[in-house]
Amino acid sequence: DTEVTQTPKHLVMGMTNKKSLKCEQHMGHRAMYWYKQKAKKPPELMFVYSYEKLSINESVPSRFSPECPNSSLLNLHLHALQPEDSALYLCASSQDWTSGVVEQYFGPGTRLTVT
Amino acid sequence: KQEVTQIPAALSVPEGENLVLNCSFTDSAIYNLQWFRQDPGKGLTSLLLIQSSQREQTSGRLNASLDKSSGRSTLYIAASQPGDSATYLCAVRFYGGGYQKVTFGTGTKLQVIP
Repeated sequence: DTEVTQTPKHLVMGMTNKKSLKCEQHMGHRAMYWYKQKAKKPPELMFVYSYEKLSINESVPSRFSPECPNSSLLNLHLHALQPEDSALYLCASSQDWTSGVVEQYFGPGTRLTVT
Repeated sequence: KQEVTQIPAALSVPEGENLVLNCSFTDSAIYNLQWFRQDPGKGLTSLLLIQSSQREQTSGRLNASLDKSSGRSTLYIAASQPGDSATYLCAVRFYGGGYQKVTFGTGTKLQVIP
């Protein structure tokens, strides 16, 4: 099973809402990632978790709060977002992070619209 | 700062043609380079991964090469098909600023005309 799943597929939220994105993989991977992709742009790395610990935070605003409850799950909690945060949010996983030589597998993404 | 550029930004070819997509990066101290395809509004599908110590990888009609010293990778697609139409992205994993990073290229939008 080389699948990364993400829920929901689409999310519309107001600027005062709190919502969460969910990502799951059952490949035994120990590194999980969140990327943000604006329309017609390449994905941009937001966070990296390695062995359930936050390894990388690419200066992401605090209104985005990641959480890794266990090795298979990755959440992204959203609060007080702005319309410019509307984007496709992609989750990925790989065998590990520190070796640097491993392949990333991506989920289908969550299309987020902030109104 | 690692900058990753893909040329051309868009490409339209007739079915059956062989084609080459390019990916250039500015910092040659990379761990690996991975090629992906992305269909509109969808996630990324991994095509090929080249380690920094390798020069090429092949999978079916796809062949990817890596020349670290010149900061270039190419993705060769043989006998293109309409189903190959998608945006192709390269991603470079490298060491910068004290930790590993991943930077994606700007992408090439490919259209294969039946």
